[in-house]
Amino acid sequence: DIQMTQSPSLLSASVGDRVTLNCKASQNINKNLNWYQQKLGEAPKLLIYYTNNLQTGIPSRFSGSGSGTDYTLTISSLQPEDVATYYCYQYNSGPTFGAGTKLELK
Amino acid sequence: QIQLVQSGPELKKPGESLKISCKASGYTFTDYAMQWVKQAPGKGLQYMGWINTQTGKPTYADDFKERFVFSLETSASTAYLQINNLKNEDTATYFCANTMGIWGQGVMVTVSS
Repeated sequence: DIQMTQSPSLLSASVGDRVTLNCKASQNINKNLNWYQQKLGEAPKLLIYYTNNLQTGIPSRFSGSGSGTDYTLTISSLQPEDVATYYCYQYNSGPTFGAGTKLELK
Repeated sequence: QIQLVQSGPELKKPGESLKISCKASGYTFTDYAMQWVKQAPGKGLQYMGWINTQTGKPTYADDFKERFVFSLETSASTAYLQINNLKNEDTATYFCANTMGIWGQGVMVTVSS
């Protein structure tokens, strides 16, 4: 199975900060990676698909990048409504989720 | 609008079975596969597997090859998750999600004697 390691597990940032969340795969996943946002008590929401494609309706402050085993979700200017847990998800082989990064306001 | 609506919360005893539904609307059901995801209380997301909505063929992740059954009622645009011989560790919220990226609201399942 492909293991997905997210870092950091907890991130505290201020409104307006540029925030970077990381996801590392145990082997090459060929950019077959999505990012999800889950707010407390809600279902996950797809933000980014195939590494860098913004899902319809998602604000442009969210962006994704990466290749091979290393991937990044960036929020260019953190907003209060971005407080959530973020999960990466690889579907290259035997799909798996990362353990999540909890993003909170400082 | 495109949505997946799941059935209501369940309270079951160990050894019992349950069947959760996931009804799709706003799109052609067979155009997108359906996935199932488990989230134990306070924990992360765990991929359970998927079902091909054109053929009905299910594929299960390793941890879900026993006791778990994915099925369809295509005429009703509905996918089902059945869990047999329930165990305490099945206590979780179960989500359906199609490969368009749309998720159901989740079903909270509690297994307790």
